[in-house]
Amino acid sequence: NAGVTQTPKFRILKIGQSMTLQCTQDMNHNYMYWYRQDPGMGLKLIYYSVGAGITDKGEVPNGYNVSRSTTEDFPLRLELAAPSQTSVYFCASMSENEKLFFGSGTQLSVL
Amino acid sequence: AQSVTQLDSQVPVFEEAPVELRCNYSSSVSVYLFWYVQYPNQGLQLLLKYLSGSTLVKGINGFEAEFNKSQTSFHLRKPSVHISDTAEYFCAVSHTGGFKTIFGAGTRLFVKA
Repeated sequence: NAGVTQTPKFRILKIGQSMTLQCTQDMNHNYMYWYRQDPGMGLKLIYYSVGAGITDKGEVPNGYNVSRSTTEDFPLRLELAAPSQTSVYFCASMSENEKLFFGSGTQLSVL
Repeated sequence: AQSVTQLDSQVPVFEEAPVELRCNYSSSVSVYLFWYVQYPNQGLQLLLKYLSGSTLVKGINGFEAEFNKSQTSFHLRKPSVHISDTAEYFCAVSHTGGFKTIFGAGTRLFVKA
């Protein structure tokens, strides 16, 4: 039972570098999400997808891009990393009874 | 738009004591309500959810929550906590028929021996 798998677990970037956070789920869920978690701020929604080929912005989309070419995969791309993007990133998928399943997170530092 | 306010950022409590973690929400439409728990260095796990029906919802690990529509609250309770309940707890809301879940800032529960 893999559930939601995120890679990498940790990453350090220099300002201006780019990277892709990978997310895959094996539960055939249509809805997938990217959140970032900052201390004392809870989780903020970056982007979400309601199915393959369909994505939309969440609360804090600036500086990020996503794609959803398959039901399983929902990668998050940072094009020009900035210190403000230092955070813990969580990918999640949602079952039909509204339950969110989370990955174990990616801790990203931009220096 | 919905929003969630968790009224306490940290709650220290002694082992075997009762605890209540408070959550208020605002929404102009009907909502679904959730509590998630996050143990150190892990992702979030669902504790319990209210979708419809009985306003008292029981979840895993002995937790329960009560939906109060008039007070727009969904407080989480446990009659006797254990050291292992030390974690961060997040209240969340989505509107019925929707697919975006909005989270509160979290409450860190410290259980002391």
